[in-house]
Amino acid sequence: DQQVKQNSPSLSVQEGRISILNCDYTNSMFDYFLWYKKYPAEGPTFLISISSIKDKNEDGRFTVFLNKSAKHLSLHIVPSQPGDSAVYFCAARNRGISNFGNEKLTFGTGTRLTIIP
Amino acid sequence: NAGVTQTPKFQVLKTGQSMTLQCAQDMNHEYMSWYRQDPGMGLRLIHYSVGAGITDQGEVPNGYNVSRSTTEDFPLRLLSAAPSQTSVYFCASSYSIRGPHEQYFGPGTRLTVT
Repeated sequence: DQQVKQNSPSLSVQEGRISILNCDYTNSMFDYFLWYKKYPAEGPTFLISISSIKDKNEDGRFTVFLNKSAKHLSLHIVPSQPGDSAVYFCAARNRGISNFGNEKLTFGTGTRLTIIP
Repeated sequence: NAGVTQTPKFQVLKTGQSMTLQCAQDMNHEYMSWYRQDPGMGLRLIHYSVGAGITDQGEVPNGYNVSRSTTEDFPLRLLSAAPSQTSVYFCASSYSIRGPHEQYFGPGTRLTVT
């Protein structure tokens, strides 16, 4: 049962335009969401996060939106740059099953973003 | 800081062989974890540790052992390798388990079991 879903395996966007990556989840116990970026042959790197008590978090060119009623979050990248070409993973924390609070994250399957110069 | 380091980068094993994937971090992080990444599956948690001497199972622990004798090191042992364990393995660490939960990942070990 995939509790965190990234339904678009790939996305191509022109340089300078907005990239929108989507993530859906099914578990209402998720209370914290994160986006990670991964280049080939490297480990994922943390990008941005959002608590379930917020609906928006912004960091430079990156903004994450959370719609709790729809169990949907999205990552907006504006403007898109060639260096943004990577695989993006959405991840979620289930506070309800964690003994300590943060030790178990559930990841989506990733979306490969390609920025076209 | 070197961050999170993993060795080896690549490994080929025969079915039934055992080996240890090494992971070390020099950031004095209390939390460390192992994930595997398979096509179409995302990252799945194998085992994790919330401090030296404390480990627990993740989502897919079968066939793997871990121990945490020091803060810095968190090796992953494959007891008897199987083709189903062909995957890319990532080690990660975090300053605190109490959040926000930003994990730092190593570069990965690509394992092939024939």
